[in-house]
Amino acid sequence: NAGVTQTPKFRILKIGQSMTLQCAQDMNHNYMYWYRQDPGMGLKLIYYSVGAGITDKGEVPNGYNVSRSTTEDFPLRLELAAPSQTSVYFCASSGTSGILDEQYFGPGTRLTVT
Amino acid sequence: GENVEQHPSTLSVQEGDSAVIKCTYSDSASNYFPWYKQELGKRPQLIIDIRSNVGEKKDQRIAVTLNKTAKHFSLHITETQPEDSAVYFCAASRKNRDDKIIFGKGTRLHILP
Repeated sequence: NAGVTQTPKFRILKIGQSMTLQCAQDMNHNYMYWYRQDPGMGLKLIYYSVGAGITDKGEVPNGYNVSRSTTEDFPLRLELAAPSQTSVYFCASSGTSGILDEQYFGPGTRLTVT
Repeated sequence: GENVEQHPSTLSVQEGDSAVIKCTYSDSASNYFPWYKQELGKRPQLIIDIRSNVGEKKDQRIAVTLNKTAKHFSLHITETQPEDSAVYFCAASRKNRDDKIIFGKGTRLHILP
């Protein structure tokens, strides 16, 4: 199993540009999450999904959108990128007990907005 | 909503000594408390977790204690080794209509030779 994969690993965006961060998992997990981690800070939940077709907002959803058309994929869309969105983005997934289960994290995407 | 406070933000201990990291949470309905370790430039990985029906759990040199009345839980690392140097995050979550997990801000642990 590849586990949780994310692409790209690094990206530089100009202010106002848009992009999609890709996340996929091959563990047949229902629950998937997107976090951002600012330098020296903890993980902030952006969006999460408890299954295909279902998404919900986390702590810091503004400026982002998600979709969950399949169990495997959970892309994160940034519209009109702003410098405040410079961060490392982690995707994660967990099994049938959702947030009561271990979260498996992807390797992260380092995004810089200038 | 849930709020998780973690202390200290930085901790330095001599190799071989013990390290303790403490977290408090605000939502009395929280019932799952994992701890994640993140090495520099790597992804977070679960090292131990505890559920609300248990007061203590141990796994080799790592232990976690939970005090539901006081709403705090702690990570204990004994006989620290250089590879224990990392950032440690506590988290709290509850299985409910809104399935969210809230992380603390992390503790950077330095193991001194």
